[in-house]
Amino acid sequence: NAGVTQTPKFQVLKTGQSMTLQCAQDMNHEYMSWYRQDPGMGLRLIHYSVGAGITDQGEVPNGYNVSRSTTEDFPLRLLSAAPSQTSVYFCASSYSPRDAGELFFGEGSRLTVL
Amino acid sequence: GEDVEQSLFLSVREGDSSVINCTYTDSSSTYLYWYKQEPGAGLQLLTYIFSNMDMKQDQRLTVLLNKKDKHLSLRIADTQTGDSAIYFCGGGGGATNKLIFGTGTLLAVQP
Repeated sequence: NAGVTQTPKFQVLKTGQSMTLQCAQDMNHEYMSWYRQDPGMGLRLIHYSVGAGITDQGEVPNGYNVSRSTTEDFPLRLLSAAPSQTSVYFCASSYSPRDAGELFFGEGSRLTVL
Repeated sequence: GEDVEQSLFLSVREGDSSVINCTYTDSSSTYLYWYKQEPGAGLQLLTYIFSNMDMKQDQRLTVLLNKKDKHLSLRIADTQTGDSAIYFCGGGGGATNKLIFGTGTLLAVQP
């Protein structure tokens, strides 16, 4: 059972470049989300989705786009990377966050923007 | 929006008890939780407590919830070196599907 899989694990970008962080889960979870982790800031919610075709903004959505065309996949797009987006990104999924459903995390993607 | 705060660092000796504290602002959360992050890994659920409970005990872990003060704590008895990690508290449920985490507390266990 793979759980939550994120790719790539490491990426270096130049300012202004675009890229997509991939996230896939095989647990048939309706809820998926993206967080970024920065020193002293903890985890901050970027975007989340409660099912295919439904997405919503989190605490820090600016500069990021998401889509949810299938239950399994929830890619995060950076349209024009900025140094402030240097961070570790985590994708997480759950069967039902409203019912204290456990959030399952991927291993993280470390992004550096030069 | 939700604001969750934790102290950044705690150092204890092996065998002692550790107490990690958390304060939150959103009283509409129906449950509060503690996650553990080991180096180079994602977070894993440690334990959670529903907002209508005051205390929950699970082996070496004790969670205390003071709703009046909006204060949550995690006590780890007989702390081991394997407990060294970052611990995140947060809240979820209620009217929102958002799960918000605190800043995280780095627990360092000295042998």
